[in-house]
Amino acid sequence: DSGVTQTPKHLITATGQRVTLRCSPRSGDLSVYWYQQSLDQGLQFLIQYYNGEERAKGNILERFSAQQFPDLHSELNLSSLELGDSALYFCASSANPGQGFYNEQFFGPGTRLTVL
Amino acid sequence: AQKITQTQPGMFVQEKEAVTLDCTYDTSDPSYGLFWYKQPSSGEMIFLIYQGSYDQQNATEGRYSLNFQKARKSANLVISASQLGDSAMYFCAMSVTGNQFYFGTGTSLTVIP
Repeated sequence: DSGVTQTPKHLITATGQRVTLRCSPRSGDLSVYWYQQSLDQGLQFLIQYYNGEERAKGNILERFSAQQFPDLHSELNLSSLELGDSALYFCASSANPGQGFYNEQFFGPGTRLTVL
Repeated sequence: AQKITQTQPGMFVQEKEAVTLDCTYDTSDPSYGLFWYKQPSSGEMIFLIYQGSYDQQNATEGRYSLNFQKARKSANLVISASQLGDSAMYFCAMSVTGNQFYFGTGTSLTVIP
């Protein structure tokens, strides 16, 4: 158990809908990362938050947005869903970035999103 | 631009044998960290080993060791005495700023009894 929790574990929805994925980082970790893992694209970095502020942005679509709340949990919002958004979405957390590059990420169990 | 390359989509190894999973990286930053993660069929991502760009010695963690060749920009993972439970996807990753991580496409390892 990494200490990172993600809910829900599975999500099935229809095209055009909107969903919210939730992540709680390990106790004490200020940084949260979101990744999308699909069969044909591998593990794609979406976005990172540090202590409530956006720190880095990757291949995140405009239909997707995220935020980190004062209690450090984070939510990833996916809207106008398409079939191609079906994937495993991981959240990871780490200790303070910027203190050095050794910044092991601890991954949550993932949320499997299926868009029908 | 930062990039991680894993050229072996799939690998097979006999139980109790050693196996090397290849990883090459590209960055112009002199400070970086290299990581290996394991993803079993259950889906979770498990941290295995870390190597810093300034580390003089190759990292080792139990049966895992990282063969770090800085000049060649390679960070191969060596698994000794393979076990059936080692069958999984293995991902190489790099972090330059400590923020964004770059992952390779992964290598699927199958351990044969």
